[in-house]
Amino acid sequence: EPEVTQTPSHQVTQMGQEVILRCVPISNHLYFYWYRQILGQKVEFLVSFYNNEISEKSEIFDDQFSVERPDGSNFTLKIRSTKLEDSAMYFCASSGNIQYFGAGTRLSVL
Amino acid sequence: AQSVTQLGSHVSVSEGALVLLRCNYSSSVPPYLFWYVQYPNQGLQLLLKYTSAATLVKGINGFEAEFKKSETSFHLTKPSAHMSDAAEYFCAVYPGGNFGNEKLTFGTGTRLTIIP
Repeated sequence: EPEVTQTPSHQVTQMGQEVILRCVPISNHLYFYWYRQILGQKVEFLVSFYNNEISEKSEIFDDQFSVERPDGSNFTLKIRSTKLEDSAMYFCASSGNIQYFGAGTRLSVL
Repeated sequence: AQSVTQLGSHVSVSEGALVLLRCNYSSSVPPYLFWYVQYPNQGLQLLLKYTSAATLVKGINGFEAEFKKSETSFHLTKPSAHMSDAAEYFCAVYPGGNFGNEKLTFGTGTRLTIIP
């Protein structure tokens, strides 16, 4: 069973610090996504990525956020200066014709 | 724009009883609909999907869902609940079209508890 791998499983950071959340998508997938889930709320789309560029992003995905596929295997989400309200579970997903999700990274901003 | 509404944030059923998790959708174009399950400390796993073929869709672990356009519903059912079904279930919608660049819109989730 193919799987999407996310690291770390839990990240604790101080407000204002930069964080990078890492994902290894399934190897033959071409589309990549980040979603987030604030505790007690619904899973929300952040951004989709194809052919080394953003194909769509939500209004949540402001200038503090960026995505990158630095080496052809990893897919990263960077938050430049974290805020308290960035605390959430962040899910990475990749798709060929079915969207597979990783186990998520829980980000806690103190 | 697309949206889904899951009725009931918590559902409890007895082991062996029918499981019914409700999902209603709103979509300006013919939708593709999905049910995902999340077990504790795990990612979202696809249970089943509707992509405009058969309206009754069978998924993994004995679950199925029926697309009813007249009711704008896509309820998830399982005839007999098992303890291992305890999890969070999410309904999601995507505007019908090519797979690949899917921007899923999720419901708020339903936590299913199984009573021994």
